[in-house]
Amino acid sequence: DVKVTQSSRYLVKRTGEKVFLECVQDMDHENMFWYRQDPGLGLRLIYFSYDVKMKEKGDIPEGYSVSREKKERFSLILESASTNQTSMYLCASNPRSYNEQFFGPGTRLTVL
Amino acid sequence: AQSVAQPEDQVNVAEGNPLTVKCTYSVSGNPYLFWYVQYPNRGLQFLLKYITGDNLVKGSYGFEAEFNKSQTSYHLKKPSALVSDSALYFCAVRYSLEGANNLFFGTGTRLTVIP
Repeated sequence: DVKVTQSSRYLVKRTGEKVFLECVQDMDHENMFWYRQDPGLGLRLIYFSYDVKMKEKGDIPEGYSVSREKKERFSLILESASTNQTSMYLCASNPRSYNEQFFGPGTRLTVL
Repeated sequence: AQSVAQPEDQVNVAEGNPLTVKCTYSVSGNPYLFWYVQYPNRGLQFLLKYITGDNLVKGSYGFEAEFNKSQTSYHLKKPSALVSDSALYFCAVRYSLEGANNLFFGTGTRLTVIP
């Protein structure tokens, strides 16, 4: 079975802190994605990566950056956390040219 | 531009009754459509997809989805609902990005099955 893991299930941070969310997949997938999920808005794509060291902006990249130094790991960085970044963050991966995505359990981030 | 719409935020159904969760789409070209389910405090799980072929797609846990090109719809159905089906359901459509295929998600429909 494909396994996508995220470093934390729940995280509480303060405004202005730098926040790292880690995602690891164990199936050698080329593509990895970061979404945020908010009630009434569904899932919105923040960033994605189709190869090591490659990254592309999604629909809402402002306030976020990403890093992909190894194929299995994709990190989402909040340079200076703000309260409007309180959300559920979901990581996903899939092989190149595949259709379905495989999701991690999510990280619920609260910024105070 | 691609989009999906889930017109109902909430669907309630009695246990044992059939359920339908609605989805309509707008996409240029042939649509690739998906249903995902999310249980509380969990990530999304893939249920089923329509790529081509039969309009009625059968997936996991007794769910099926019917593709209707003329109505641009892809409704999720199950003949007999279970309490354990209570969850958040997302419809999605595929679109192509630089180097990858991505999914555009609807806003979700919360299904509650009443015992």
